[in-house]
Amino acid sequence: DQQVKQNSPSLSVQEGRISILNCDYTNSMFDYFLWYKKYPAEGPTFLISISSIKDKNEDGRFTVFLNKSAKHLSLHIVPSQPGDSAVYFCAASGTLGGGADGLTFGKGTHLIIQP
Amino acid sequence: DSGVTQTPKHLITATGQRVTLRCSPRSGDLSVYWYQQSLDQGLQFLIQYYNGEERAKGNILERFSAQQFPDLHSELNLSSLELGDSALYFCASSVDRGGLETQYFGPGTRLLVL
Repeated sequence: DQQVKQNSPSLSVQEGRISILNCDYTNSMFDYFLWYKKYPAEGPTFLISISSIKDKNEDGRFTVFLNKSAKHLSLHIVPSQPGDSAVYFCAASGTLGGGADGLTFGKGTHLIIQP
Repeated sequence: DSGVTQTPKHLITATGQRVTLRCSPRSGDLSVYWYQQSLDQGLQFLIQYYNGEERAKGNILERFSAQQFPDLHSELNLSSLELGDSALYFCASSVDRGGLETQYFGPGTRLLVL
């Protein structure tokens, strides 16, 4: 049973345009969400996060939106750049009981930025 | 560079063998997490240690065990290895003040079981 789903295995976007990556979750206990970027043969690199008390968090070209009622979050990258080509993982965490727990990851979306 | 280090980078071994993977967390981080990334399963949480004590368990097999030492580095021991254990093993660390914290990942150890 996949609790975090990224339904698009890949996404191709033209350089300079907006990239929108989507993520759905099923566990209502999740209250902290993160996006990681991963290049081949490297570990996931933290990109941006959002807690469930917010509906938007912005950091430079990256914005994450959270819709709790729909159990949906999205990552917007604008403008998209060639260096953004990577696999993007959505991850979720539940802190009921205190402390950070292991993250539950989606299977990733491979973003390809076309020149 | 996340500040999390993992050794070795690559490991090739045979079925039935035992291996140890090592992780050093970022300076000041008390929590260490282990994840397995296999081709079909994506990134799966295995186990978490906080300041030397086991804190949370995920999809970790009984053949696998971990520990965190007083200097906060951690080791993941994999025994009676099977072909299906071939995967990338990642370690992550966080400060873990008891709230919502970001985990920072190391570069991973690629294990190949032949």
